[in-house]
Amino acid sequence: DAGVTQSPTHLIKTRGQQVTLRCSPKSGHDTVSWYQQALGQGPQFIFQYYEEEERQRGNFPDRFSGHQFPNYSSELNVNALLLGDSALYLCASAPGGTRGTGELFFGEGSRLTVL
Amino acid sequence: AQTVTQSQPEMSVQEAETVTLSCTYDTSESNYYLFWYKQPPSRQMILVIRQEAYKQQNATENRFSVNFQKAAKSFSLKISDSQLGDTAMYFCAFMKLSGGSNYKLTFGKGTLLTVNP
Repeated sequence: DAGVTQSPTHLIKTRGQQVTLRCSPKSGHDTVSWYQQALGQGPQFIFQYYEEEERQRGNFPDRFSGHQFPNYSSELNVNALLLGDSALYLCASAPGGTRGTGELFFGEGSRLTVL
Repeated sequence: AQTVTQSQPEMSVQEAETVTLSCTYDTSESNYYLFWYKQPPSRQMILVIRQEAYKQQNATENRFSVNFQKAAKSFSLKISDSQLGDTAMYFCAFMKLSGGSNYKLTFGKGTLLTVNP
């Protein structure tokens, strides 16, 4: 049973560019959330998707956007990259509705470096 | 808004000994979950233990147990018989119970635990 998978694992961009990160949830999970983890810090919640809609959003600018597809996979897009966007981006999935127990399953993350 | 505070940036313990990691949180919610997640150098965040706030009994998972003090808003993790594989960053996290599919975790800054041979 595949867990949460993310791609790419590492990428380097320059300021002002745009990036798309991808996530496939664990089998049987239909809600996906994204977190930004700066070096030496705890993860910060970006947003969560369920039934192809953004359900919750953290304190991140509109440069951060996302999408969930009918197969429950998700993308995180960041426009106009800043140096401060350099971080590990984590995707987490869980079963939605009343099936959830609160536990999130995390992928290994995408390490973004902005030069 | 919820906040989670981990006041120990780093800790170390000898193999086979016991160590306790501290966590405090602030919330006005009455229904919530608390978690300890482990992040080893491989980066993947793994759930260690979970506590529902409405349960008075402290959660245990093998060598891992918590001391949940709801009134004091304290949630410490005890690791018994520490093993080298326990070396990792440990995060305390809070999730409000709001029904449906709201899965927003608020994390602390983490405690780096090193288990020495």
